[in-house]
Amino acid sequence: LAKTTQPISMDSYEGQEVNITCSHNNIATNDYITWYQQFPSQGPRFIIQGYKTKVTNEVASLFIPADRKSSTLSLPRVSLSDTAVYYCLVGGNQGGKLIFGQGTELSVKP
Amino acid sequence: DAGVTQSPTHLIKTRGQQVTLRCSPKSGHDTVSWYQQALGQGPQFIFQYYEEEERQRGNFPDRFSGHQFPNYSSELNVNALLLGDSALYLCAGASAGGRHYEQYFGPGTRLTVT
Repeated sequence: LAKTTQPISMDSYEGQEVNITCSHNNIATNDYITWYQQFPSQGPRFIIQGYKTKVTNEVASLFIPADRKSSTLSLPRVSLSDTAVYYCLVGGNQGGKLIFGQGTELSVKP
Repeated sequence: DAGVTQSPTHLIKTRGQQVTLRCSPKSGHDTVSWYQQALGQGPQFIFQYYEEEERQRGNFPDRFSGHQFPNYSSELNVNALLLGDSALYLCAGASAGGRHYEQYFGPGTRLTVT
């Protein structure tokens, strides 16, 4: 399974756009890229998944370059409630386990 | 709200004891996975159940066992508790026919072993 590398922490202010980049140099052809969000004392929550180019939903956008060796989660106009840990996961979509790294702890300040 | 329930919310046990944690996945989800999350770390996969059988297992000793019931709910059992078993235990549901990477997590059970 592809190993991921992402910043341990990031700081931002309310109203700003936040971009969290994840490196996954050994991504396999059939791997998807998925991001989860976790608030303290809660379970992780699925945010977005993509395979290539750009995916957008009501919460975030996911940018994936052509070589797929990295991806960027973009959170538009963050608020205090976006303070959480964000995990980048890489793997196939057929059965099995999720492999979580340490994640990026995002702190949004007023 | 992911629609996944876990019980109990918190639990304190003594080293050497046994514990059972329970999980009910969201309606329509037939696959249940269990994860252990130590403080400051990402969740670690314990095992996954589908059709009442263990389908995959992570790197956890046999002290960790589980069960899935016909209604898809699940239990996690841990025997001979160690201090290092103190963690947040999460269960996640998914549909076997859906994207397994889109899993729905419960709020977790905080286990403290003293």
